[in-house]
Amino acid sequence: NAGVTQTPKFQVLKTGQSMTLQCAQDMNHEYMSWYRQDPGMGLRLIHYSVGAGITDQGEVPNGYNVSRSTTEDFPLRLLSAAPSQTSVYFCASSRFQVGNQPQHFGDGTRLSIL
Amino acid sequence: QQQVKQSPQSLIVQKGGISIINCAYENTAFDYFPWYQQFPGKGPALLIAIRPDVSEKKEGRFTISFNKSAKQFSLHIMDSQPGDSATYFCAAEGGKLIFGQGTELSVKP
Repeated sequence: NAGVTQTPKFQVLKTGQSMTLQCAQDMNHEYMSWYRQDPGMGLRLIHYSVGAGITDQGEVPNGYNVSRSTTEDFPLRLLSAAPSQTSVYFCASSRFQVGNQPQHFGDGTRLSIL
Repeated sequence: QQQVKQSPQSLIVQKGGISIINCAYENTAFDYFPWYQQFPGKGPALLIAIRPDVSEKKEGRFTISFNKSAKQFSLHIMDSQPGDSATYFCAAEGGKLIFGQGTELSVKP
């Protein structure tokens, strides 16, 4: 099992560009989520999905879009990149949304917006 | 608003010492409190977790202490080792997993 795979690992964008961060898991997990990690801010929830076809907003959803067409994939789209979106992005998955479920994280995408 | 507050932001401990990281939460609907460990260049990984119906949970050198009335919980790392040097995040869950700000632990040999 590969677990949670994120691509790309690094990306530099110019302000206003759009891009998609990819996330795939091979554990048949229903729950998937996206976090951004910034110094002193911890991990903040952007969007999450409890299953294929269902998504919802987290703490900091503005400027990001998600979709969940399959159980395995949960891409994160930056619609028009801004310098404030420079961050490290982590995708995570767990079997279900309910508590007591360990989150399995990918190794992150380091994104710089110039 | 920060629903889970973590301190200290950074911590330096000598090898063999005790590392203590504290967290406080506001939402009484939280019912699951995990700690995650993150090494540089990697994603966080679950270290240990506790439910609010117990006051303490121990796994090897790692212990969570939980005070429901004070809405506080802490991670104790006994006999800290250089290999424990990492960033530690507390978290709380009540439908969604909310993380604290993180503590960068450095254990000096």
